[in-house]
Amino acid sequence: DAGVTQSPTHLIKTRGQHVTLRCSPISGHKSVSWYQQVLGQGPQFIFQYYEKEERGRGNFPDRFSARQFPNYSSELNVNALLLGDSALYLCASSLDQGSLGNTIYFGEGSWLTVV
Amino acid sequence: LAKTTQPISMDSYEGQEVNITCSHNNIATNDYITWYQQFPSQGPRFIIQGYKTKVTNEVASLFIPADRKSSTLSLPRVSLSDTAVYYCLGLINPGKSTFGDGTTLTVKP
Repeated sequence: DAGVTQSPTHLIKTRGQHVTLRCSPISGHKSVSWYQQVLGQGPQFIFQYYEKEERGRGNFPDRFSARQFPNYSSELNVNALLLGDSALYLCASSLDQGSLGNTIYFGEGSWLTVV
Repeated sequence: LAKTTQPISMDSYEGQEVNITCSHNNIATNDYITWYQQFPSQGPRFIIQGYKTKVTNEVASLFIPADRKSSTLSLPRVSLSDTAVYYCLGLINPGKSTFGDGTTLTVKP
């Protein structure tokens, strides 16, 4: 069975540019979460989507946005890139959200370098 | 949200049992405790999850005392490949949780 897949795996952008990261959840999973992981720190929660609706948002500026499509895949968009946006962006999927014992499964991430 | 506290780092030797303890003093009634393992340049991998007492799977055991204010991840007979960062989460919905900095386990030959 395919796990959570993310694309691209690596990319380099220039300050001020825009980036779109993509995520396909595990088949049957309806919830997708996005995380940012800076080197040396744990993953920081950005967004959670469930059934195409935003169900949670972390402490990130409005330059960060996301959406979920009818097939439950998701995109994370970041506008006006800053050097500090350089990080590993992780996508995680789960069957649903908010239920007891809900388990999330992560993809391998997209490495973004802003120069 | 249940704030968790873990040791920053631990060292062990191959073949030893490793126990990593996580404190979650304000855990809520409905919160589960979940542990993840992360290797460099990879996404976190689910290890084990529990609510109370003891849970065991093919890779680890999780011990949760009756007051649920802490939990201990037990890795039997570690190998060099178990060198990784281990995170504990105490939340009903880990899909919304910001991870702490985890415990960096270094297994030495």
